[in-house]
Amino acid sequence: AQSVSQHNHHVILSEAASLELGCNYSYGGTVNLFWYVQYPGQHLQLLLKYFSGDPLVKGIKGFEAEFIKSKFSFNLRKPSVQWSDTAEYFCAVNAVSNYQLIWGAGTKLIIKP
Amino acid sequence: KAGVTQTPRYLIKTRGQQVTLSCSPISGHRSVSWYQQTPGQGLQFLFEYFSETQRNKGNFPGRFSGRQFSNSRSEMNVSTLELGDSALYLCASSEQGTEKLFFGSGTQLSVL
Repeated sequence: AQSVSQHNHHVILSEAASLELGCNYSYGGTVNLFWYVQYPGQHLQLLLKYFSGDPLVKGIKGFEAEFIKSKFSFNLRKPSVQWSDTAEYFCAVNAVSNYQLIWGAGTKLIIKP
Repeated sequence: KAGVTQTPRYLIKTRGQQVTLSCSPISGHRSVSWYQQTPGQGLQFLFEYFSETQRNKGNFPGRFSGRQFSNSRSEMNVSTLELGDSALYLCASSEQGTEKLFFGSGTQLSVL
């Protein structure tokens, strides 16, 4: 069965620090990959996605993620975080053959001002 | 454009009862998916509907069911509620499938 693993449940950083959140999935076939974010008091929203092509994808608010197929990974990065990046981040994956999104448990990111 | 609307926002039920949750997708969206969210577990996929047809179902017992109407509105039903069903139930809509989901605020279900 497919699964998605997010290694860090809680991350605390200071403003201007660099961020990398890990995401690994288990599925041998072709996948679509997503990062969603939930800011305090708001709905979940799409941060970025990878379907095909350039494995380095850029999303909103300066976030990017790199798909490394050999490592089954899709890590999220941001070179310099801001206090407003405080949120919960979710990685999600689906096999291109179906519409069942499998989600990681989420990472709560707290940015200290 | 109005967002995804879920009703009710909060529900308190007792064990053994049943509950129906409603979701109105964004206008023009034909795909509606449902998720159960619990602290520390992330989102668990329940099912996905497209044009009134269930395309995928997650690993939940048969007590969890859903349907979609011709106007794309969707309902999910949970029968014979158990304490472990307490969770936030999220609905998401999209035009075709998983390409970009738009989420509602969710229905917080508490089973006592």
